[in-house]
Amino acid sequence: DTGVSQDPRHKITKRGQNVTFRCDPISEHNRLYWYRQTLGQGPEFLTYFQNEAQLEKSRLLSDRFSAERPKGSFSTLEIQRTEQGDSAMYLCASSLGGRSSYNSPLHFGNGTRLTVT
Amino acid sequence: QQPVQSPQAVILREGEDAVINCSSSKALYSVHWYRQKHGEAPVFLMILLKGGEQKGHEKISASFNEKKQQSSLYLTASQLSYSGTYFCGTFAQGGSEKLVFGKGTKLTVNP
Repeated sequence: DTGVSQDPRHKITKRGQNVTFRCDPISEHNRLYWYRQTLGQGPEFLTYFQNEAQLEKSRLLSDRFSAERPKGSFSTLEIQRTEQGDSAMYLCASSLGGRSSYNSPLHFGNGTRLTVT
Repeated sequence: QQPVQSPQAVILREGEDAVINCSSSKALYSVHWYRQKHGEAPVFLMILLKGGEQKGHEKISASFNEKKQQSSLYLTASQLSYSGTYFCGTFAQGGSEKLVFGKGTKLTVNP
């Protein structure tokens, strides 16, 4: 079990630039989540995948955000035309999905900290 | 839909006990508890399923009252290593299959 890995750990970008983050889940996990966390708050749900299918995307998420999981393994999260309000920690988590999804713990990566200047 | 946690913060001396509460307005399939230390990712503690079971993890245990949609996390004889922010997450019935987290309870254990 190598755990969930995220890359990069830190990203500093200028407002208006595009950024892309990568997440490699635990290999046998078919469910993958993206969360966003700001200081003093709990993780805020962004989207999740069951294998390669994106099953839900938060209504709070603007069209500037897109996520993919092309082969049901790693996932990418892209933010286009970044804004200062996008500055946050972006967390990826994986778990066993299907019928037992509510009974499966989430395993989090160490996150990507985005700073938009 | 976000669960409500209380209190927002707790300060203890080593060896004291604490209770953290989590309540939801929706019927739940399960409640998850996680602990996050500063600068680190949240770490799974335990899952409570509907049915009112109580689970334990070292000196940390939890209960789930299905009828009230409430869960409580009990930390007994706290240790310095228990310091961190505790989050409950809930899977709601009749909704999508995503874990929604509360805002967290910051626990500080002092010597």
